[in-house]
Amino acid sequence: GQQVMQIPQYQHVQEGEDFTTYCNSSTTLSNIQWYKQRPGGHPVFLIQLVKSGEVKKQKRLTFQFGEAKKNSSLHITATQTTDVGTYFCAGKLNSGYSTLTFGKGTMLLVSP
Amino acid sequence: NAGVTQTPKFQVLKTGQSMTLQCAQDMNHEYMSWYRQDPGMGLRLIHYSVGAGITDQGEVPNGYNVSRSTTEDFPLRLLSAAPSQTSVYFCASSYIQGVIPSPLHFGNGTRLTVT
Repeated sequence: GQQVMQIPQYQHVQEGEDFTTYCNSSTTLSNIQWYKQRPGGHPVFLIQLVKSGEVKKQKRLTFQFGEAKKNSSLHITATQTTDVGTYFCAGKLNSGYSTLTFGKGTMLLVSP
Repeated sequence: NAGVTQTPKFQVLKTGQSMTLQCAQDMNHEYMSWYRQDPGMGLRLIHYSVGAGITDQGEVPNGYNVSRSTTEDFPLRLLSAAPSQTSVYFCASSYIQGVIPSPLHFGNGTRLTVT
């Protein structure tokens, strides 16, 4: 069925290095949402992108939505140990009201 | 403001037992949903509801029932627990505002083990 693919599954970086996770869909998305889940916690909403080519920033985090609205990325500049967790993207695949489809997530580990 | 409250936090069941996972939200959200999270599988939608009296199946509905008698509550029932249902279960809710989904608010989760 229709899916939202997310890569990589896992990344281990040294504190201060940059990190990027990518989200791809075979069909056009109405929107893309990003969530962060700390170890042992629950997913927490970070941001939503709706417009083609949209770019939003939250401090060291930069979110992009592709021109074709089929892909998205989350880039973290100069990672910190507080960035540890799993990052999920989620998008609505069909027209009309329907549910969000989540990617499988990228687990980020940051070593001090 | 409690947000989304799930109970219990932990549960151990024997194969064949039944139980209900509770979910309540105090934000007057129309949309409520249940996800299960398994290692390497991300979040998979079990059932969802867009309002009281309305429920629908998600990606992995087999073995689970739901009902939505009030706006606030959305319980998930396991009819006859199986080891394959060992997982972490999250309830999530949001407003419904047009065709663009609103951000989901998640509960703290229920960790279920079926032996």
